[in-house]
Amino acid sequence: DVKVTQSSRYLVKRTGEKVFLECVQDMDHENMFWYRQDPGLGLRLIYFSYDVKMKEKGDIPEGYSVSREKKERFSLILESASTNQTSMYLCASSSPMGTEAFFGQGTRLTVV
Amino acid sequence: GEDVEQSLFLSVREGDSSVINCTYTDSSSTYLYWYKQEPGAGLQLLTYIFSNMDMKQDQRLTVLLNKKDKHLSLRIADTQTGDSAIYFCAEHSGGYQKVTFGTGTKLQVIP
Repeated sequence: DVKVTQSSRYLVKRTGEKVFLECVQDMDHENMFWYRQDPGLGLRLIYFSYDVKMKEKGDIPEGYSVSREKKERFSLILESASTNQTSMYLCASSSPMGTEAFFGQGTRLTVV
Repeated sequence: GEDVEQSLFLSVREGDSSVINCTYTDSSSTYLYWYKQEPGAGLQLLTYIFSNMDMKQDQRLTVLLNKKDKHLSLRIADTQTGDSAIYFCAEHSGGYQKVTFGTGTKLQVIP
């Protein structure tokens, strides 16, 4: 059974904190993605990675960075959390020629 | 750039058909997808269609693609309460990594 696992379902952080969201996949996929989901805005791509140590900016990278040191793990970093980063964060992975992206359960982050 | 639009909300009675519509802008899209998100869960692929197809049927699901109008629809026959979820349209274009999602349509099924 294929799996994308996000380390936390719910997180509450204070403004200005450094926040790490972790994602692990067990399918040996090259591609990994971070999206944020907001009501009425759908999913917006923050960053993606198509190989270890490779990263590309998505549509809304400002205020975020990522790290991919191992193929199975893709981390999203909020260097200094702000209230407008309160959102649902979804990680996904896919193979380069695959037609399906597999999603994790999501992390609901609240910044207070 | 790519843009995918959907209506935000749809309400149907149990047993009726549901039709969820989507428009997209990128004429170079190769695949178009429908994903389903149940409450508290991530997204799960329901079905997809190649851009050179007009229709795809899979049990209760029918996908129609009008490439000229850049319009995609998902029809769910005999809608059940378990179909209540958010449905996302998505297009695959600009290289194999890039998938653009719509805003999502929340389907409410009334018993």
